[in-house]
Amino acid sequence: GAVVSQHPSRVICKSGTSVKIECRSLDFQATTMFWYRQFPKQSLMLMATSNEGSKATYEQGVEKDKFLINHASLTLSTLTVTSAHPEDSSFYICSAIPGGMNTEAFFGQGTRLTVV
Amino acid sequence: QKEVEQNSGPLSVPEGAIASLNCTYSDRGSQSFFWYRQYSGKSPELIMSIYSNGDKEDGRFTAQLNKASQYVSLLIRDSQPSDSATYLCAVGPGGGYQKVTFGTGTKLQVIP
Repeated sequence: GAVVSQHPSRVICKSGTSVKIECRSLDFQATTMFWYRQFPKQSLMLMATSNEGSKATYEQGVEKDKFLINHASLTLSTLTVTSAHPEDSSFYICSAIPGGMNTEAFFGQGTRLTVV
Repeated sequence: QKEVEQNSGPLSVPEGAIASLNCTYSDRGSQSFFWYRQYSGKSPELIMSIYSNGDKEDGRFTAQLNKASQYVSLLIRDSQPSDSATYLCAVGPGGGYQKVTFGTGTKLQVIP
């Protein structure tokens, strides 16, 4: 399957600081990427849809000024958690779809964010 | 509100048995259906995709879709301890835009 790389895999930051997470499609171009958040023992919750060259589309209840998404190229989307607080601690996962005849989404490795 | 329902489990099966995982969805217009496997602390891994009614087999895995009943299932034959994980059902609208909705997952335990 297609490869999606997410970095970092684990990050600890202080409350009030910002954290950037990168999501790269390594062997295909992705005009659309998705950002999910998963709390322990819960399912994946879609946060936003990242579109190359345009503004991201955020799901209801997700603060766009807190979770900044930049999809600057066809292979890279970034999620920045601004002014992080302990309640933002979670597992953040990106996914991308190769497109064309392939409609399955492939996931990055995920980023475990801990805000202390 | 589009919903995807799964029994949270855990579903325990002995090694070598068939594990049957079920999923129902509320959006009758859904066209794409996926099963993902997620190990603890890891991101989901795609196992199967199915788009039309009937069965689709891939190795030890068989996905079954019944759009009239809004039901999709995953059968795992000859279950192995390494199959122990949480299995997520995901449902999408079809077409090129795959904004899928995930179920909460079923935890499977294969007992040696």
